[in-house]
Amino acid sequence: GENVEQHPSTLSVQEGDSAVIKCTYSDSASNYFPWYKQELGKRPQLIIDIRSNVGEKKDQRIAVTLNKTAKHFSLHITETQPEDSAVYFCAASRNSGGYQKVTFGTGTKLQVIP
Amino acid sequence: DGGITQSPKYLFRKEGQNVTLSCEQNLNHDAMYWYRQDPGQGLRLIYYSQIVNDFQKGDIAEGYSVSREKKESFPLTVTSAQKNPTAFYLCASSQDRVVNEQFFGPGTRLTVL
Repeated sequence: GENVEQHPSTLSVQEGDSAVIKCTYSDSASNYFPWYKQELGKRPQLIIDIRSNVGEKKDQRIAVTLNKTAKHFSLHITETQPEDSAVYFCAASRNSGGYQKVTFGTGTKLQVIP
Repeated sequence: DGGITQSPKYLFRKEGQNVTLSCEQNLNHDAMYWYRQDPGQGLRLIYYSQIVNDFQKGDIAEGYSVSREKKESFPLTVTSAQKNPTAFYLCASSQDRVVNEQFFGPGTRLTVL
């Protein structure tokens, strides 16, 4: 089955600096890669996603890159702000027998220091 | 934050008791999912359902059961056979069977006393 590894598990940055979180996946059939942000005690919410036919996607301060050959994808947050502090999960998804099979990484706790 | 709701927010259970967690969505989504979240382990899939009256086991289904009698409802029962049930449980839904964004409920924190 799919295996998603996520690094680092914790990340502290100064406000205004950039943060990068990296994930690797094992199943070459995975074709959808969402990133979720989960604030303490809250539900995960999608912040950006990328499909396998695209190499990069950007939304304001957030960008995601995908390298299908190497099977890795990364989240980039620029000009970090204290409200970016949260746990971030990457995921790899594929269609399996008519069902969306999603495998999540173990999460990265990001702390932005004011 | 309507769309997908879970109740209760906190739940306490004595060992040996079954307990049912509620999940309701008004997004008209076909697919619904149950995940378990433990510290340092991300989200792990318990059960999923693509359509009414159909559901499939996920990666950690042992000790759990579900039903899908209505499109908008997907309750999860944590049985006494689940050896370590204390966790944060998240329900999710997605529009259809193709790969797509999942919308999560607010979660239920279950504690076994």
